[in-house]
Amino acid sequence: GAVVSQHPSWVICKSGTSVKIECRSLDFQATTMFWYRQFPKQSLMLMATSNEGSKATYEQGVEKDKFLINHASLTLSTLTVTSAHPEDSSFYICSARDHRQGVASPLHFGNGTRLTVT
Amino acid sequence: AQTVTQSQPEMSVQEAETVTLSCTYDTSENNYYLFWYKQPPSRQMILVIRQEAYKQQNATENRFSVNFQKAAKSFSLKISDSQLGDTAMYFCAFALGAQKLVFGQGTRLTINP
Repeated sequence: GAVVSQHPSWVICKSGTSVKIECRSLDFQATTMFWYRQFPKQSLMLMATSNEGSKATYEQGVEKDKFLINHASLTLSTLTVTSAHPEDSSFYICSARDHRQGVASPLHFGNGTRLTVT
Repeated sequence: AQTVTQSQPEMSVQEAETVTLSCTYDTSENNYYLFWYKQPPSRQMILVIRQEAYKQQNATENRFSVNFQKAAKSFSLKISDSQLGDTAMYFCAFALGAQKLVFGQGTRLTINP
């Protein structure tokens, strides 16, 4: 089945530093990937839609200069949290759909990245 | 904008019992997709079942089935013969075609031995 690999699984960084999270579709191509954020015991909130070869589409309230998204190929999207603060500590999950299977195909999720900013 | 509401924050049943999780949604669209995802303690999102709005027949996947009431905008999940491994957070989700998934607040389901 389709696999989405997300790396790293967890990361601890100091305030003010930047952290990059990678999301790869291992056996399919994805023109679009989605980045979600999940706080403890809460639901998944969409942060942005990553579009291959073009700019990401950010949800209202998400700072695009803080959460940099790059989707340079059909199998890789990256989320960079710049100048991280403790309030950025959260669980980040990416997802992707095999674009060859059409709009009805399900989204496949990565295993998530737990970010802790100290 | 579409919204998804899960009114049951937590539920608990005994193993082998049947449990139904509720979900309602709001949209003005006619064609869309509905999903139930399971998130165990590992936090991996696992697709449980999905329903295309244009299909009147309720989707089923082994012990999992849905009751899709389009007019009422209701999409409940029934788990039959519940097992300990069913313990997880369950999220109802809505999507328009290939667009983003909008999730409900989630229901924490505990299956007791």
